[in-house]
Amino acid sequence: GQSLEQPSEVTAVEGAIVQINCTYQTSGFYGLSWYQQHDGGAPTFLSYNGLDGLEETGRFSSFLSRSDSYGYLLLQELQMKDSASYFCAVGGGATNKLIFGTGTLLAVQP
Amino acid sequence: NAGVTQTPKFQVLKTGQSMTLQCAQDMNHNSMYWYRQDPGMGLRLIYYSASEGTTDKGEVPNGYNVSRLNKREFSLRLESAAPSQTSVYFCATLGEETQYFGPGTRLLVL
Repeated sequence: GQSLEQPSEVTAVEGAIVQINCTYQTSGFYGLSWYQQHDGGAPTFLSYNGLDGLEETGRFSSFLSRSDSYGYLLLQELQMKDSASYFCAVGGGATNKLIFGTGTLLAVQP
Repeated sequence: NAGVTQTPKFQVLKTGQSMTLQCAQDMNHNSMYWYRQDPGMGLRLIYYSASEGTTDKGEVPNGYNVSRLNKREFSLRLESAAPSQTSVYFCATLGEETQYFGPGTRLLVL
């Protein structure tokens, strides 16, 4: 089977750095993605790692270690608008079927 | 460009009633997906379509049927709704390792 584990909740203060971890077990692996979802909204794509290492996009970075079946999302210079749920997802290949984790609710406090 | 659109936005059904959720995209993407999201949970794949004319089951297909009417449209049908199908339903398309989600349909089955 396939499963992903990530913390259910994380709290941080404005301006800080927060890391959300994701470990996975899959029968096949093509890449690790991260999605953001604000309450009541649609998930939106943040980042994708197909290979080991760090990907940086503005204040957001994502890391993957395929040998450890582990990745993380790093959010820097936290802003109040970053309060949302963050989901890691594994999948890909020809159909890019994604399996999502249960999400991490990030609360940014003033 | 509208991206991915879904209708209706909200729906209340009685147990045993049927309905079809509509999804359309103007992004010219081949692959389309239907997910459900229950409170505090990640997204679970119901069905997907890798291209026009093909559909395949995801993690939780029981109680649902789909039709890939053409490249733009992918509908999800509940033949006999059950309270367990109360959820938020998201349609998505695939482009460049990124899934693009519609705004969702909130379904309540009484």
